[in-house]
Amino acid sequence: EAGVTQFPSHSVIEKGQTVTLRCDPISGHDNLYWYRRVMGKEIKFLLHFVKESKQDESGMPNNRFLAERTGGTYSTLKVQPAELEDSGVYFCASSQGWGSNQPQHFGDGTRLSIL
Amino acid sequence: SQQGEEDPQALSIQEGENATMNCSYKTSINNLQWYRQNSGRGLVHLILIRSNEREKHSGRLRVTLDTSKKSSSLLITASRAADTASYFCATHGSHYGTSGSRLTFGEGTQLTVNP
Repeated sequence: EAGVTQFPSHSVIEKGQTVTLRCDPISGHDNLYWYRRVMGKEIKFLLHFVKESKQDESGMPNNRFLAERTGGTYSTLKVQPAELEDSGVYFCASSQGWGSNQPQHFGDGTRLSIL
Repeated sequence: SQQGEEDPQALSIQEGENATMNCSYKTSINNLQWYRQNSGRGLVHLILIRSNEREKHSGRLRVTLDTSKKSSSLLITASRAADTASYFCATHGSHYGTSGSRLTFGEGTQLTVNP
């Protein structure tokens, strides 16, 4: 079974530019999550999709961040325009079912560097 | 301070020794999970312990949970150099609904096992 895959693994862009991160969850997983870890801080929740619907987007930092999951398969996270404080590692995770006792399976993350 | 605080922040031991990492949290939980992250890679789910469980084993891993103290510990026995990684605890809240799916992470413990 293929795991959660994220693309790109690393992105370096200048402040003010736009970047789009992609996540392919494990096949058949309806739940998809985005997290991020900015420098020196803990991993923080951004949002949760159930299929194509945003179940919880309370962790999104501001309106420069837009997440989509059209068709309920892969998801994209767009940052526009990027700011210096957006630098960090963005993780995607997926889980099979709803409920707290379902482990979340993580991708390797996208390391985003804003110059 | 943050939900899910680990201590120590860093731990260095010799191969064959046991490693113990602790985690404290603040709110009520459904379960607590431990993850490992190797450098540059994603988070690997290690073990999940439910709020009504006190101890759980998986191979060389032993996790305890004390809900009265809002704390957990992860013990790795007979450590190996390959266990070198960052270890995170993550709590899953007890509030079913929009916030019930997110994981709240601590800052992690960096474990180094010297050969």
